[in-house]
This record gives sequence, C-alpha cells and structure tokens, in this order.
Amino acid sequence: NAGVTQTPKFQVLKTGQSMTLQCAQDMNHNSMYWYRQDPGMGLRLIYYSASEGTTDKGEVPNGYNVSRLNKREFSLRLESAAPSQTSVYFCASSEVLTGYSGNTIYFGEGSWLTVV
Amino acid sequence: TQLLEQSPQFLSIQEGENLTVYCNSSSVFSSLQWYRQEPGEGPVLLVTVVTGGEVKKLKRLTFQFGDARKDSSLHITAAQPGDTGLYLCAGVKNAGNMLTFGGGTRLMVKP
Repeated sequence: NAGVTQTPKFQVLKTGQSMTLQCAQDMNHNSMYWYRQDPGMGLRLIYYSASEGTTDKGEVPNGYNVSRLNKREFSLRLESAAPSQTSVYFCASSEVLTGYSGNTIYFGEGSWLTVV
Repeated sequence: TQLLEQSPQFLSIQEGENLTVYCNSSSVFSSLQWYRQEPGEGPVLLVTVVTGGEVKKLKRLTFQFGDARKDSSLHITAAQPGDTGLYLCAGVKNAGNMLTFGGGTRLMVKP
C-alpha cells in the first residue's frame, strides 16, 4: 500500500534551472495538493487540485506551475529555480477538499530541493 | 504573522515528564487537526476536533479544542522517546476553505 509517492527524494539545482516534481497516489482520491515546508513556517499550500481537470493557486504559488495529469498524478514544476525555492516539498491527497470537516489528508515523504 | 501560532517552538524534556503544547489564533475555526511528523517523513494525522470544548484522548495524548474554537492544546502524559517529532496544528476556518498550518512545535524526549 504505497499511499502518496513523490519523486525525486533529493535534488540540487542551479539558479535558473527547471525541474518537475512528480507525485502519484493510489487511494483513488479526488483532491491533491503541493505544500512547501520551511523551518518555523509550518506547511504552506502552493497549488491544489480539487478534482481531475482543475487546479487552483494556494498561499504561495509564485514561481511554480502544476499539472493534474490524471486522477492519480499531480506534478509541480519550477520553471526557473531561485534560492528562495530551497525547501522541502510535500505532495498530499484527500478524498475531497480539506476544507470539509473530518476529511483526512495523506502526505508523501517529501522532496528535499536545494537551489544554489 | 501566521494565522495559527504554536508554542513553544522547541521543547526538550526527559522521559516520563508531562508537557503541553498550544495552538492559538484570533480567528474562529470550524475544525482543527493535530499532526505528528517524524524526520524524513510527511505529517501524519493524529486527531480532528470540531466542537468547542471537545476533548479527545489518544493513549497518552489528550487534545482539547477551546470553547470559542480559537485555540487548541495537546497534552502528553509520561512522555516517551517515541513521542519525539514535530507537532503541527492545522485548521479550517470555514467549510470549503483550505487547511492552514501552524509553525509547529519540535519535541525531543530524552531517555
């Protein structure tokens, strides 16, 4: 039972390079999310997808793009990486949007990204 | 300024001690959740509270939602090294809004 799987686990980028973080879930969830986690800041929502075919901006979307490829997969792209994007990135999924009481969100193990 | 403020940010205690961590806001939340995150892993949901004044227990962990639904606390009795981790609170202000996370409390329990 894999749950939420994200790749790569670790990545070092040079400023200006691009990359895509991949995420897949096997729980048949409708909603998927990308968060970033910085020390003392908790988790901040970058983008989310309420259901297949829809995506919306979260709290900190600048510098990122997303694609909901199908119900299982939700990718996050950095077009031109900047040092401020050094962070730990978490993909997550839930049956429906987390704004509804009692809904459980499941997280992947995280992707450590360093931009030099 | 974060919507949800957690305190303390860091806590180091000896095995067997009791502790309480707090999650406070000036806003009212329709529900609030607590997560534990271990190094190298994603957060894992511990509990959801939805009613003002609600108290939930999970073995040695006691969670309380404030009467006004603006704050919450997590109390751990007789802490063990396995309780070590980052504790995050997260809340939903209104149905349909996204989950908002606090900054976390990093707990270390020494044997």
